[in-house]
Amino acid sequence: AQSVAQPEDQVNVAEGNPLTVKCTYSVSGNPYLFWYVQYPNRGLQFLLKYITGDNLVKGSYGFEAEFNKSQTSFHLKKPSALVSDSALYFCAVSPTGGATNKLIFGTGTLLAVQP
Amino acid sequence: EAQVTQNPRYLITVTGKKLTVTCSQNMNHEYMSWYRQDPGLGLRQIYYSMNVEVTDKGDVPEGYKVSRKEKRNFPLILESPSPNQTSLYFCASSNSGVGGNTEAFFGQGTRLTVV
Repeated sequence: AQSVAQPEDQVNVAEGNPLTVKCTYSVSGNPYLFWYVQYPNRGLQFLLKYITGDNLVKGSYGFEAEFNKSQTSFHLKKPSALVSDSALYFCAVSPTGGATNKLIFGTGTLLAVQP
Repeated sequence: EAQVTQNPRYLITVTGKKLTVTCSQNMNHEYMSWYRQDPGLGLRQIYYSMNVEVTDKGDVPEGYKVSRKEKRNFPLILESPSPNQTSLYFCASSNSGVGGNTEAFFGQGTRLTVV
């Protein structure tokens, strides 16, 4: 079965420190990979995506993600965390070759940045 | 402003009383879908639509109906709600893209409680 795993329910980091939110996937073929962020009482907002090409992709608000095909991972990173980055982060994959734009989501990781 | 609008934002209803959650997008997107978000489960797709009059089941369609009579609107219908449908619901839209390589835009969510 196709799935996305976010192994950490919560990640705590001090402001100014680098952060990593982990994501691994189990999807056949070469899926497209996404990160979304959800702030309290808001819908999900697109952060970045990997389609093809350079394994390091840059997105909104200074976030970037590294695609590793051999490890089937797509970890989200930021060099210096801000308190305003505190939110719920979702990794998602879209299986390629399918007839739909279906997204398979992970269970989410709550990022808490302490001042 | 490009957006996906859901109504209502909050709804408390009783078991068995039919309800409709509306969703409208102003981006002329072909693809629309409904997800439910539950703690520890992430987002799961309920139904999706590739275009007007074209709808299909997602991963958790039981107890839900949808229709797509116009491109911009994609209402979610619960004919006889039950307590296990208490959840946070999101509508999303995107361009059809190529096998799902485009990002989705999400509404702000509808928190439904069925008592």
